[in-house]
This record gives sequence, structure tokens and C-alpha cells, in this order.
Amino acid sequence: QVQLVQSGAEVKKPGASVKVSCKASGYTFTGYYMHWVRQAPGQGLEWMGWINPNSGGTNYAQKFQGRVTMTRDTSISTAYMELSRLRSDDTAVYYCARNYDILTGPDYYYYMDVWGKGTTVTVSS
Amino acid sequence: SSELTQDPAVSVALGQTVRITCQGDSLRSYYASWYQQKPGQAPVLVIYGKNNRPSGIPDRFSGSSSGNTASLTITGAQAEDEADYYCNSRDSSGNHPWVFGGGTKLTVL
Repeated sequence: QVQLVQSGAEVKKPGASVKVSCKASGYTFTGYYMHWVRQAPGQGLEWMGWINPNSGGTNYAQKFQGRVTMTRDTSISTAYMELSRLRSDDTAVYYCARNYDILTGPDYYYYMDVWGKGTTVTVSS
Repeated sequence: SSELTQDPAVSVALGQTVRITCQGDSLRSYYASWYQQKPGQAPVLVIYGKNNRPSGIPDRFSGSSSGNTASLTITGAQAEDEADYYCNSRDSSGNHPWVFGGGTKLTVL
């Protein structure tokens, strides 16, 4: 079955960087874009960006440009999200989610069909 | 700026019907998808496209769309439906190719 397994929780100091991994299984990794979404404590979901695992091309939310880098290693079907210059308000659960899009008749559907369980990143001095 | 607007909280009596709405300009061009999130868990896709449910999602969940508004309807709400619900869509007009609503906390009374 399609599965996304994320790396374990991290504790970082302000100013440091964190790199979260997301290992895909059960499907062709290079066939589907991968999103990264975060959720601060008690807050809603926030889209950070996505990567095309086939080409390595990325598109980041403006808020994170300059601080986030999304990469992938196709040999091990794993996507990575690195966030630098961490601040306390980067404390959140970080999710990877597979993008799915399909043309059905005249309609195009886009959605995130499978999610990882999340990686908790705590930024504290 | 692009955004999707949801009511922060909605309640429904057990077994009754509830509609959760999502408004935004992006919904005039793209269908919304809906996600259920229970405390401490990752979001789960419940509705996508015009009105499609992934395998395993009960048929009491349905979706609809009109103009700039998308709706998620739960017909005969169950206790296990108590959760946060988020809408999401593509967006070609703002700074983000994708946008989430702020979420609606559903309480089943």
C-alpha cells in the first residue's frame, strides 16, 4: 500500500537548520509531486511548497523562500525538506503529502491523497 | 491575496446533518478537497473533486461547489466525525500555488 514514512522528532536551537525526510513506498516515487505542509501548535495547516521528484524542480510558498530547500533522492524514494535559520515560531509538526491530479472528463482534480504521520520540530533555546 | 475562509467552529446533534463551507476566489477555477484531522493525527482526505470519496470514507460525507463556495456535508453525523476539517485548493492568482482554509472544528453533540 502507498505509504509515507517520516523521520523522527527534532529539537533545535534558534538559528540552526533542520532536515526532515519522507520515504515513499508502494508507488513510483518519481510519478507524483510531493507537498510539504506544516502545522504550528493549535493552528491550521500551512502549505510550504512542493517538489517534482522526477526533475527535482521545486515551488516554495513566498513566506519560506530563502529559508526552505526541498530535495529528493530517487535511489531511495525519499524526499527531504530543510528549513534554515530556525525561529521559535517554526515549532510545528511538518507533514509530507503526495500530490494526486487527474483529468476526469472536462474536470481536473488536484488533491493530497496520502500523508505522512508528521515530524515534530521544536525550536527552543 | 489568495485565501480560503471557513467558519472556525460548527456543531451538530448526533445523527443530524451538517454543512461546512469554504469560500475563496480560487474555488471559481479549482475544485476544493477536504481533509479530516483528529487530535494528534495527520489529516485524512475525505472528499476531492466534484464529489468524490476515497476508498474507506463513509458515504455520509459528500461535497458540492457553487461559484466561490465549496461545501462539505455530513448526513447523519456520528460521534467519530468530531474533528477539524480543512478545505484546500490550487490557486493560480496568489503567491502560493496551493492554499488551505483556516479549518472548522466540528463538535457532535
